[in-house]
Amino acid sequence: DQQVKQNSPSLSVQEGRISILNCDYTNSMFDYFLWYKKYPAEGPTFLISISSIKDKNEDGRFTVFLNKSAKHLSLHIVPSQPGDSAVYFCAASAGNTDKLIFGTGTRLQVFP
Amino acid sequence: EPEVTQTPSHQVTQMGQEVILRCVPISNHLYFYWYRQILGQKVEFLVSFYNNEISEKSEIFDDQFSVERPDGSNFTLKIRSTKLEDSAMYFCASSEGTASSNYGYTFGSGTRLTVV
Repeated sequence: DQQVKQNSPSLSVQEGRISILNCDYTNSMFDYFLWYKKYPAEGPTFLISISSIKDKNEDGRFTVFLNKSAKHLSLHIVPSQPGDSAVYFCAASAGNTDKLIFGTGTRLQVFP
Repeated sequence: EPEVTQTPSHQVTQMGQEVILRCVPISNHLYFYWYRQILGQKVEFLVSFYNNEISEKSEIFDDQFSVERPDGSNFTLKIRSTKLEDSAMYFCASSEGTASSNYGYTFGSGTRLTVV
């Protein structure tokens, strides 16, 4: 079941630059998308979400873009900071269900 | 900041034994969830719970699994007869609203279950 895919297992970015994490989905019933950040030995932490009626949502350094025709979303972090180093999960839900479908995650490393 | 608390952080059990994983959700949250992550794999939905009953469950959540909110504050996941493949990190989560509302879940730090 690969309804939500994060094709890049890892990403390395210099501090101060932009980090772009990508996510693709296959289920056209998904109408809500979320990004979570996870540190080792901790649970996922909610970052930002977007409804399918929007194509962009911004919260401080984090912006999520949704391209419904391409079934693609991305998370932009700018400027990247060393504390952003973590695993980032994309997740999606459909209006007729109460569960989140997660991607496999992308490990972001921000180096000085 | 309010948090979801899970105990124990690590549980080792013998195959065939029963385990109970415990969670204290955030007090004003109404929706409760269990997810799990097998090492190296994605986070998977197990069950959602609302208004004192299961609202949705995955195919993973078979008759060996059960959930309970015994006293209005705790939320437990019981595995009746553990199998080796139940070894995973189990995450409890709670939310003010459903997955499709503008509320992110708050996850606990997880319980690492090792079945030997």
